[in-house]
Order: sequence, then C-alpha cells, then structure tokens
Amino acid sequence: DTGVSQDPRHKITKRGQNVTFRCDPISEHNRLYWYRQTLGQGPEFLTYFQNEAQLEKSRLLSDRFSAERPKGSFSTLEIQRTEQGDSAMYLCASSSDIVLSGNTIYFGEGSWLTVV
Amino acid sequence: AQTVTQSQPEMSVQEAETVTLSCTYDTSESDYYLFWYKQPPSRQMILVIRQEAYKQQNATENRFSVNFQKAAKSFSLKISDSQLGDAAMYFCAYKEAGTASKLTFGTGTRLQVTL
Repeated sequence: DTGVSQDPRHKITKRGQNVTFRCDPISEHNRLYWYRQTLGQGPEFLTYFQNEAQLEKSRLLSDRFSAERPKGSFSTLEIQRTEQGDSAMYLCASSSDIVLSGNTIYFGEGSWLTVV
Repeated sequence: AQTVTQSQPEMSVQEAETVTLSCTYDTSESDYYLFWYKQPPSRQMILVIRQEAYKQQNATENRFSVNFQKAAKSFSLKISDSQLGDAAMYFCAYKEAGTASKLTFGTGTRLQVTL
C-alpha cells in the first residue's frame, strides 16, 4: 500500500497557461476525490469519482476546470487559462466502498499551484 | 447543507499536558461519520481518529480520544500527554454514511505545543 500519490508536488505557472495534476489513488480504492485548499482554510470539495464515473461536481469547479478518471484508476485535474485566484493546494483523496473501511478517506500530499 | 464549525482558531498546550479541541456540526441526518484530521507543516492530511454516529462509545486511538455528544452535535478531540510532534492544524470533518458522499471540513485549529 503506497498511499495516494500526486504529481507534480509544486507547479508555478503564468496566468493564462494550462496546468494538469495527476493523482494515483490507493490501489484497491474505487472512489477518488479532488479538494482545493487555500492558506488558512479547510479543504473544499471539488469533485468525486466512483470508478470512472464523475458523480458529483462542486459549484467551485468552473468551466475552466476539468477532471477525468479513465478506466477508474488514476485521475487528472486540468485547469485551463489559469488565474491568480487558482493559486492553492489541490488535494487528491481516495476511499473504498467496503463497509469495513468505515468510509475513511485518505489524502495525498497535495499539489501546490502558484499562478504568477 | 451540513456545516462544521471549529471555534478555536489557535490553541496552545505545554508538552505532556492535555488539550481539548472543539468541533460542532449541523446535520439533519441520523447516520454519519465524524473525523479529526491532522495537517502538519508538510501539508499532508493525516487521519487521527474516526467516530461512527451510531456508536455511543467514544473512539480512542492511543493518546487521542473524542467526546461525541450526538444530541448536542458536538465532537471534541482530546490529546493527552501532548508531544512536540502534535503541533499542526487539526481539522474536524463530517461525512454522511450510506452514500459515497464528500467530507465537509471545518476551518481548522492550529495547535502549538510548547516546552
């Protein structure tokens, strides 16, 4: 069990550029979540996948944001035409729908985005 | 909508002492889960302890225990024998049971541990 891994860990980009983050969940987990966290705040939910199906999207996920999870394994979060307000840490998390897991969600180390 | 409130932005405790972090939540659901997560300066969110709402017994994990008051919708975290490594942001979080729903987090409490 290698945990949830995210790549890259840090990204600095110019305003208007596109960025993509990748998340590899814990191998047996079929649920995958993306959250955004700004300094001094708790994580805010962005979107959720069960296997390859994107089942829920937050209003925070504007048209410039798109997430995919092809084949129900890794996931990517793309931000197009980045704005300074997109600067944040993007957290990926995963969980299993097995009852004994207790609905516990495990987080990766996050991907820091700085838009300059 | 569910909300989670942490009214203590910062707390301080001396090493080896005990500290309690407060959390209240609002929900109309009867079955749900509550969590405390720790986020040290390295920024990875680490699960500290979990409580199922249908269980009356308070969860414990070594030096960490909770006081779960379902009627009052209160879920406090007690850290005993505090250690320097406990210094971090602590987030209380809520999740509905039975559905693949998201975690809703509070705004966090920054815990400082002093010598």
